[in-house]
Amino acid sequence: GENVEQHPSTLSVQEGDSAVIKCTYSDSASNYFPWYKQELGKGPQLIIDIRSNVGEKKDQRIAVTLNKTAKHFSLHITETQPEDSAVYFCAASDSNSGYALNFGKGTSLLVTP
Amino acid sequence: DTEVTQTPKHLVMGMTNKKSLKCEQHMGHRAMYWYKQKAKKPPELMFVYSYEKLSINESVPSRFSPECPNSSLLNLHLHALQPEDSALYLCASSQVSGGEKLLFGSGTQLSVL
Repeated sequence: GENVEQHPSTLSVQEGDSAVIKCTYSDSASNYFPWYKQELGKGPQLIIDIRSNVGEKKDQRIAVTLNKTAKHFSLHITETQPEDSAVYFCAASDSNSGYALNFGKGTSLLVTP
Repeated sequence: DTEVTQTPKHLVMGMTNKKSLKCEQHMGHRAMYWYKQKAKKPPELMFVYSYEKLSINESVPSRFSPECPNSSLLNLHLHALQPEDSALYLCASSQVSGGEKLLFGSGTQLSVL
């Protein structure tokens, strides 16, 4: 089955700096790669996603890049703000097969003022 | 209405109790999911309902019994749970199954004494 590895497990940056979180996946059939943000006491919230036919996607301060050959994808947050502090999960799925998401172990991001 | 609503938010139960968790969405989503999340861990898939039929059961013990009465409602019936079942139980929905663009509720924090 799919195995998703996520690094780093914790990340601390100063407000205004950029943050990068990286994930690798094992199943070449995976074709959908979302990123979720989970704040304390809340459920995960989808912040950006990318399909395997696209190499990069951007939404304001957030971007995701995908390298299918190397089987890795990354989340980039620019101009970080304290409200970006949360746990971020990457995930992968072979959505054509109807399979549900396989999550990475999560990255706890702390943005200090 | 663009939310997944879960009740109750918190639940404490004894090992001999029977209780139910409820989940509701009115976005016309045809896939609904139950996930279990332990502290500092990623969500783990338990069940997937697609068009009100159980399509995935990830080898969950029979003390957890899902039910999908209609396309808007999802229940999780609990009976004879163990202390290790204490966790955050998350409901999610998506337009179709396959794990794309999951929308999560805020979860039910369950404690089994």
